[in-house]
Amino acid sequence: DAKTTQPNSMESNEEEPVHLPCNHSTISGTDYIHWYRQLPSQGPEYVIHGLTSNVNNRMASLAIAEDRKSSTLILHRATLRDAAVYYCILRAHSGAGSYQLTFGKGTKLSVIP
Amino acid sequence: DTAVSQTPKYLVTQMGNDKSIKCEQNLGHDTMYWYKQDSKKFLKIMFSYNNKELIINETVPNRFSPKSPDKAHLNLHINSLELGDSAVYFCASSLGLSEGGAYEQYFGPGTRLTVT
Repeated sequence: DAKTTQPNSMESNEEEPVHLPCNHSTISGTDYIHWYRQLPSQGPEYVIHGLTSNVNNRMASLAIAEDRKSSTLILHRATLRDAAVYYCILRAHSGAGSYQLTFGKGTKLSVIP
Repeated sequence: DTAVSQTPKYLVTQMGNDKSIKCEQNLGHDTMYWYKQDSKKFLKIMFSYNNKELIINETVPNRFSPKSPDKAHLNLHINSLELGDSAVYFCASSLGLSEGGAYEQYFGPGTRLTVT
């Protein structure tokens, strides 16, 4: 499985934008880039995903490098509720392996009031 | 309404016992999963069922047996519990695959299993 590399932890001030980086230099052409987050004492929660183009949804934006070897999850205005561990995950396009999420260590985001 | 629910939320039991964790989803999804999160917070897939058929079975001791009576339920039965089974177990569900890749997964709140 292609691997991802994320910083162990990051801090942000409340109401400031947050850019969470992810490196995935061995990504294959058909791998999707997914982001999940896990709030304390909760199950993981889907945030966003993309393939090649930048994506926006109500929770966040995903900026994907042109060579697809890195991506950045953007939270436009961090709130205290955004404090969580954020996981960048590569998912195969098809086959049995595409059904599973392979979680790494993720980035623990702390939001300072 | 809760999308993916698990029971019980907490389970404390002794070594050697047999226990079950139940999972139900009301999202109409056809794929369900079990994940294990250990004390170091690593989340790992254990099983995946699509339309009641097992499609992923990671290297999990055969003391763990998933059972899917229908598409909305995926229960996890554990025999002869060991100390190392202590963890948080998460159930999840999703639609199957699309031309655009796999759909997002929806996770339950987790079951914290403590084996003493």
